[in-house]
Amino acid sequence: QMTQSPFSLSASVGDRVTITCRASQSISKSLNWYQQKPGEAPKLLIYAASTLQSGVPSRFSGGGSGTDFTLTISSLQPEDVATYSCQQSYGTPLTFGRGTKVEIK
Amino acid sequence: QVQLQQSGPRLVKPSQTLSLTCAISGDSVSSNSVAWNWVRQTPSRGLEWLGRTVYRSSWIQEYAFSVEGRMTINADTSKNQFSLQLRSVTPEDTAIYYCTKMSTTTGGHDSWGQGTLVTVSS
Repeated sequence: QMTQSPFSLSASVGDRVTITCRASQSISKSLNWYQQKPGEAPKLLIYAASTLQSGVPSRFSGGGSGTDFTLTISSLQPEDVATYSCQQSYGTPLTFGRGTKVEIK
Repeated sequence: QVQLQQSGPRLVKPSQTLSLTCAISGDSVSSNSVAWNWVRQTPSRGLEWLGRTVYRSSWIQEYAFSVEGRMTINADTSKNQFSLQLRSVTPEDTAIYYCTKMSTTTGGHDSWGQGTLVTVSS
């Protein structure tokens, strides 16, 4: 089971934003992050906890291992408004967090 | 670049079978380094992994506990596509269904279909 927090957040353009994801048991570094904009399919941002998917802006970063993980946006941009979800790929059933909705203040 | 194109009915009656197909371009359904998945999304349950098929000298399927026994994923190498069949559907199966490609080296779902909103209603 993957627990994300917060459920939603509102921040100003240029702010540093951090989202956390906690696994119910150790998953090593088998943690992925997705961005989903309204009406679109999720898009892979980060895999293996900290590796940026090709084409993803460098303001996105991931960290953590074991049970606790973070997704950080170093300087929030208007185009980052979306829901962000974590997902463990350590074992089946693959499970997702419930998502964090990010808005601009 | 891999593209996944979904097709199938958007309205299914209760107790009937939901069937969706995902056509693959830019990769092979029998690739050894890929798993082909179905994921659904609802406002109440969020993103839910349903199952996957992989080719490792033979075809292997894995399913989520919530749909095991009702769900079948098949691969069609002649058409380079894979499909989902979910039997005995109820209104609880109403969701946006996505097919995805997961790299077994990274663990991430790096390609997604466009999504299909399937409504279960009489």
